Amino acid sequence: NSKVIQTPRYLVKGQGQKAKMRCIPEKGHPVVFWYQQNKNNEFKFLINFQNQEVLQQIDMTEKRFSAECPSNSPCSLEIQSSEAGDSALYLCASSGDWGSQNTLYFGAGTRLSVL
Amino acid sequence: GEKVEQHESTLSVREGDSAVINCTYTDTASSYFPWYKQEAGKSLHFVIDIRSNVDRKQSQRLIVLLDKKAKRFSLHITATQPEDSAIYFCAAGNYAQGLTFGLGTRVSVFP
Repeated sequence: NSKVIQTPRYLVKGQGQKAKMRCIPEKGHPVVFWYQQNKNNEFKFLINFQNQEVLQQIDMTEKRFSAECPSNSPCSLEIQSSEAGDSALYLCASSGDWGSQNTLYFGAGTRLSVL
Repeated sequence: GEKVEQHESTLSVREGDSAVINCTYTDTASSYFPWYKQEAGKSLHFVIDIRSNVDRKQSQRLIVLLDKKAKRFSLHITATQPEDSAIYFCAAGNYAQGLTFGLGTRVSVFP
């Protein structure tokens, strides 16, 4: 069973509001990924980290989305001004050294509904 | 970027029979191919993976095959059981590009 912990499980926001979700990666895993899964089962990569450093992020993420993985604190993903199209399941995953292509283990996700 | 096509959107199999899910990818640089299972309302659960240095891997009732020439990989679930019913996702990628997922195959195992 995955030991990646995501909170909250459900998040309901109005358009324009901030939405923040957190992720505690599995102990010892330096790599964290964030994905968005929409209702059509499409996965969109958002951002990934190795330790506290951003490895890659998509353009969308750079504008309204912000994320961080501070040392000794949960990782977080925040949407500054939520839009209806942001409603989705946000999945956090962690891995050992990604360069060795270790397995990505996913958390239970945060389901965001933007009304 | 990488594109992953998962060919079967749904699959119904009789309990005890085998289920086969096929995926194709586009980027020859992809070298890592995991499979995940998602049950209703739950997250992705890792089931098995294969790396490009082998063409076959088995874990209990699961077999994955990789054909790098055809850029195709497949998951075989043998001796299916009711608890195998779920949505299965294939993915392809590598360190530089991360993982690209298919759209999932809903597997239903009936008695």
